[in-house]
Amino acid sequence: QVTLKESGPVLVKPTETLTLTCTVSGFSLSNARLGVTWIRQPPGKALEWLAHIFSNDEKSYSTSLKSRLTISKDTSKSQVVLTMTNMDPVDTATYYCARIAGYDYVWGSYRPREFDYWGQGTLVTVSS
Amino acid sequence: QSVLTQPPSASGTPGQRVTISCSGSSSNIGSNSVNWYQQLPGTAPKLLIYSSNQRPSGVPDRFSGSKSGTSASLAISGLQSEDEADYYCAAWDDSLNGRGVFGTGTKVTVL
Repeated sequence: QVTLKESGPVLVKPTETLTLTCTVSGFSLSNARLGVTWIRQPPGKALEWLAHIFSNDEKSYSTSLKSRLTISKDTSKSQVVLTMTNMDPVDTATYYCARIAGYDYVWGSYRPREFDYWGQGTLVTVSS
Repeated sequence: QSVLTQPPSASGTPGQRVTISCSGSSSNIGSNSVNWYQQLPGTAPKLLIYSSNQRPSGVPDRFSGSKSGTSASLAISGLQSEDEADYYCAAWDDSLNGRGVFGTGTKVTVL
């Protein structure tokens, strides 16, 4: 049974750094071609893709947030960590991690496939 | 910030057919497959359609997807009350060194 669970602070202050952890079970982060992605959703708004990481450590980031994001994984702990620096109230959102079912390697770039399993999400509020 | 455009709402009575469009460009839908996600109220999104027209195990066959050029569609035939949810299309975008993109979301209401 594949599960993902997000954990981290529920409240952060402006300018602080947010660290979120996604703990997975039912699959291994070293499994070839599988990956994990982070997605967020501000209250009442649409989904926004943030970043992903694959088993071979290939990473990709949202263009608009790239300077603030870092994604990493600890295979032995079955965890994927996302850090976001310089938090602002507009970053208030529910943050989800999800498993990527695979990727297609086309013309030197990794194209992720569907997000087949999602965590329940964790609401992060940015406020002083 | 959404790159893919969807109508904000759609509705129908039980048993009717509802179609949701998703409009993109050559760098996303035009080059890559489309996935659809269903988000029931207060829950995490769930994969509904992948590779533009494939249903994961357990998804009823009243849900179907299609893609043509730079647009995609999700159809719900035989609409049921439990289909009332938000629906999002998604794709990979090859521009700007590659990025994931979602649609603006469509709220489906069962009248």
